Amino acid sequence: DSGVTQTPKHLITATGQRVTLRCSPRSGDLSVYWYQQSLDQGLQFLIQYYNGEERAKGNILERFSAQQFPDLHSELNLSSLELGDSALYFCASSVGQWNTEAFFGQGTRLTVV
Amino acid sequence: AQTVTQSQPEMSVQEAETVTLSCTYDTSESDYYLFWYKQPPSRQMILVIRQEAYKQQNATENRFSVNFQKAAKSFSLKISDSQLGDAAMYFCAYRTAPSGLSGGSNYKLTFGKGTLLTVNP
Repeated sequence: DSGVTQTPKHLITATGQRVTLRCSPRSGDLSVYWYQQSLDQGLQFLIQYYNGEERAKGNILERFSAQQFPDLHSELNLSSLELGDSALYFCASSVGQWNTEAFFGQGTRLTVV
Repeated sequence: AQTVTQSQPEMSVQEAETVTLSCTYDTSESDYYLFWYKQPPSRQMILVIRQEAYKQQNATENRFSVNFQKAAKSFSLKISDSQLGDAAMYFCAYRTAPSGLSGGSNYKLTFGKGTLLTVNP
């Protein structure tokens, strides 16, 4: 158990809908990262937050947004969902911005039908 | 942009034998970190081993060791005395260090496509 908690574990929704994925980082970790894992694109970095502020953006679509709250949990919002958004979404956390080791949650499996 | 290439989509090994997974990367940075992550069927991404580019000594963690060739931009993972529990997808990953040329703006991990390792009893 990495100490990073993601909910829900599985999510099935219809095209056009909006979903929110939640991540609770390890106790004491200030950085949260979101990654998307799909069969065709592999593991892609989406976005990073550090202590409530956005720090880096990767291949995140405009339909997707994220935030980190004062209690350091983070949410990834996916809207106007398309079939191609079906993927495993990982959250990872680390103590600082630059810690070399990031701990991953078990992911949320999103299926868009 | 940095890229990570794993040329072996699948590998298999007999239990108790040794297997080496290959990884090459492309970067203009001189300071960076390299990682191997393991993803078993449970989907959990587990850090296996990491290497700092400024260190010439190859990292070792129990049965796992790396062969880091900085000039060749190669970072292979050797698993000795393979066990059934080693069966998983293995990902090679790259991360810029804070002192890198990019000025520390690339916080992300860049992953390879992965190598699926099967361990035969």
